[in-house]
Amino acid sequence: GAVVSQHPSWVICKSGTSVKIECRSLDFQATTMFWYRQFPKQSLMLMATSNEGSKATYEQGVEKDKFLINHASLTLSTLTVTSAHPEDSSFYICSARDPREPSYGYTFGSGTRLTVV
Amino acid sequence: AQSVTQLDSQVPVFEEAPVELRCNYSSSVSVYLFWYVQYPNQGLQLLLKYLSGSTLVKGINGFEAEFNKSQTSFHLRKPSVHISDTAEYFCACGGGADGLTFGKGTHLIIQP
Repeated sequence: GAVVSQHPSWVICKSGTSVKIECRSLDFQATTMFWYRQFPKQSLMLMATSNEGSKATYEQGVEKDKFLINHASLTLSTLTVTSAHPEDSSFYICSARDPREPSYGYTFGSGTRLTVV
Repeated sequence: AQSVTQLDSQVPVFEEAPVELRCNYSSSVSVYLFWYVQYPNQGLQLLLKYLSGSTLVKGINGFEAEFNKSQTSFHLRKPSVHISDTAEYFCACGGGADGLTFGKGTHLIIQP
């Protein structure tokens, strides 16, 4: 089945620095990837939709300049948290659509735990 | 706009007992419905999905769900749970070019 690799699985960074999270589709080409954020013991909130070769579409309330998304190839999307602050600490999960699946298959990465100190 | 409501934030159940996790959705268009399971500090694993056709959907790990259009529900069931089923379960709707809309999740606690 489709596999999505997310890296790193956890990261600790100092306040004010930037952190990049990678999401790769390993065995399929993903024209669309999604980035979610999950607070402790809460649900996943869609942050943005990443489209290969074009600008990401951000959900209302998500700061575009804070969360930079780049989808430069059909197998890689990156989320960069710029000038991170403690309130950005969260669990970030990416998801990719496998176009081979006629039934809208979504595969999720294993998530990245970001802690800003 | 779409929304998903999971009525129970936590469901305790004894091992080998049956369980039902409730999910209701709201959408102005046809939807695709999903159930995912999440273990601590991990991503989401698809349990099952409803796209069309038979309203009873069977998934992995012995789970099944029934789509009820009149009640706008998609409840998840398992006839006999195991300790390893302890996890967070998310109901979601959506599909196509859009991302998924998730419910708040239900923490399934299996008691020995």
